[in-house]
Amino acid sequence: AQSVTQLGSHVSVSEGALVLLRCNYSSSVPPYLFWYVQYPNQGLQLLLKYTTGATLVKGINGFEAEFKKSETSFHLTKPSAHMSDAAEYFCAVSDRGNQGGKLIFGQGTELSVKP
Amino acid sequence: DTGVSQDPRHKITKRGQNVTFRCDPISEHNRLYWYRQTLGQGPEFLTYFQNEAQLEKSRLLSDRFSAERPKGSFSTLEIQRTEQGDSAMYLCASSLAGVNYEQYFGPGTRLTVT
Repeated sequence: AQSVTQLGSHVSVSEGALVLLRCNYSSSVPPYLFWYVQYPNQGLQLLLKYTTGATLVKGINGFEAEFKKSETSFHLTKPSAHMSDAAEYFCAVSDRGNQGGKLIFGQGTELSVKP
Repeated sequence: DTGVSQDPRHKITKRGQNVTFRCDPISEHNRLYWYRQTLGQGPEFLTYFQNEAQLEKSRLLSDRFSAERPKGSFSTLEIQRTEQGDSAMYLCASSLAGVNYEQYFGPGTRLTVT
């Protein structure tokens, strides 16, 4: 069964510093990969996705992620953190064999940004 | 395109009561998903539909839970004889199968069982 591991339930960075949120998946076949962001008491918003093609994908709000098959990873980065980036971030995967289908989520990483 | 909507946004109920939530997906989307999210956790899959057909149900979906999508548009999720452990955020998402693979989420319904 697929699973997703997000290393670090809480990450704190200073404004302007690099953001790195880690995600590893467990699957025999590389799945579709997603990062979502959730602000308090709201639904999830898609930041970026990897389905095929270029392994470095760019998303909204200056975020990007790189799919590394050999490491089964899909880490999320942003060169310079902004106060508005403070939120909960979820990595998720879905099965290629079902045109997507259900998402399996990691436990989430709460990002705090210090002024 | 108004996005995915859910109603109600908040529901407080007493243990043992039945509750029903509604989800309206993005109009052209043929897939509709239900997830449950408890505090500090990632969303957990409950069930999903393609058009009217319920294609998959999680083991989390006990006999007290039932979901429908009768006309392939909106969906309802009913919980019978609610328990305190049912307290959670219930999220709905929709997608267009075979075209793109991301799911678009609604704002959620927060259920509190007292």
